[in-house]
Parts: sequence; structure tokens; C-alpha cells
Amino acid sequence: GAVVSQHPSWVICKSGTSVKIECRSLDFQATTMFWYRQFPKQSLMLMATSNEGSKATYEQGVEKDKFLINHASLTLSTLTVTSAHPEDSSFYICSAPGHWNEPQHFGDGTRLSIL
Amino acid sequence: GQQLNQSPQSMFIQEGEDVSMNCTSSSIFNTWLWYKQDPGEGPVLLIALYKAGELTSNGRLTAQFGITRKDSFLNISASIPSDVGIYFCAGANNNDMRFGAGTRLTVKP
Repeated sequence: GAVVSQHPSWVICKSGTSVKIECRSLDFQATTMFWYRQFPKQSLMLMATSNEGSKATYEQGVEKDKFLINHASLTLSTLTVTSAHPEDSSFYICSAPGHWNEPQHFGDGTRLSIL
Repeated sequence: GQQLNQSPQSMFIQEGEDVSMNCTSSSIFNTWLWYKQDPGEGPVLLIALYKAGELTSNGRLTAQFGITRKDSFLNISASIPSDVGIYFCAGANNNDMRFGAGTRLTVKP
């Protein structure tokens, strides 16, 4: 089945650092990918929809200048958390619809810890 | 975004027992999905439901898409220790997917 790869799986860095997270579709093309954030013991909250070749669509309350999304190719979307602060520490997960409108397949997530 | 109402929040059961969890929404969805998430990993799809009234099984798992399109349930029969994890329901209209808060399942051997 369709596989989504996410990298890195864990990041620990100092406050003020910008962090880039990659999401790749391994055996299929994804014109659309989704970025979620998950706080401990909570559900997944959609942050933004990444669209290949056009601007991302952000959910209400998500700062687009803080969370930069680039969908440069049909198999890669990146999320950059700019000038990260401790409150940005969270589990970030990407997903993409699979072949023939299959349900979304998720990456393994990136745990971001800002000191 | 809109969230689904998933219950129960957590369950502690003995190995071999059956489990039932459900999700309700005030809005209609075209697709209902059930995912399982292990600690530190992304959700993995268990069952996808595409038609109102549909009942689908995947091994010991059975899920149904409610007739009103506003609810779904997931049953796990004869639970085993590896069933431990968090189960999320999700309702989707095309690629717009919303999640329940999750049901945390603990299975005692």
C-alpha cells in the first residue's frame, strides 16, 4: 500500500531555531498533503493543507508566517517551524491520500522539542 | 476545526474481552475511518467505511457506518495485549478529515 515517509523523527533544539520537517510519498504522487499537530494525550489537529504548485491553505488560528509550507514536487512537502519556541514543542504528523482516492496515509510523525 | 465526539476516552479491559467504542458528529460525513496510533508513531488505518449502513470487518475488528452518516462504531473482539494503543475515529468529506479525541485502550494480560 501507499507509504508516507517523514523525516526527522525527533528534533531537539534551542529556542529561536528554525526546524524543517520533510514529508515524502514513497510510491505515489501526492498533489495534496496535510500537516497535523498533536499535543500529548490529545487528538490530531489539522494545521494546513499543502498543495503542489500553489500556496498552502491554513486552518484558522495557524500562523502561516510561523509554519512555512512548501510543496515543491509531487512527492515532497516540507513544514518549517520558524524561530521555534517551547510552546511549539509538539508531535507533527503529515499525511497524504493514497492511490485512487484511498484514505489518507500518515507518516510516523516528528517529535519536536524546543528547549 | 470541527471535532467528533468519541467515547469512551479510555478503557481498561482484561485480555479476551470485547471492546466497543463510538463516534458521533453533528455533521454528515461521506467516509468514516478508524485509525490506531501507537506511542511515538503516526496513525495506521484499520478500517474505512464508505456507505451509510456499511458494516465491515478486518480480522477481529468490526466497524459500522451509521445510517444517518453522523456516527460510527468500532468493535474489537477477543482483545489481546497488542491491541493496546489509542484508537481514533475520523470523518471525511473528500480530503477534509476531522478526528475524534481518541480512545485509549489498555489490555491487561
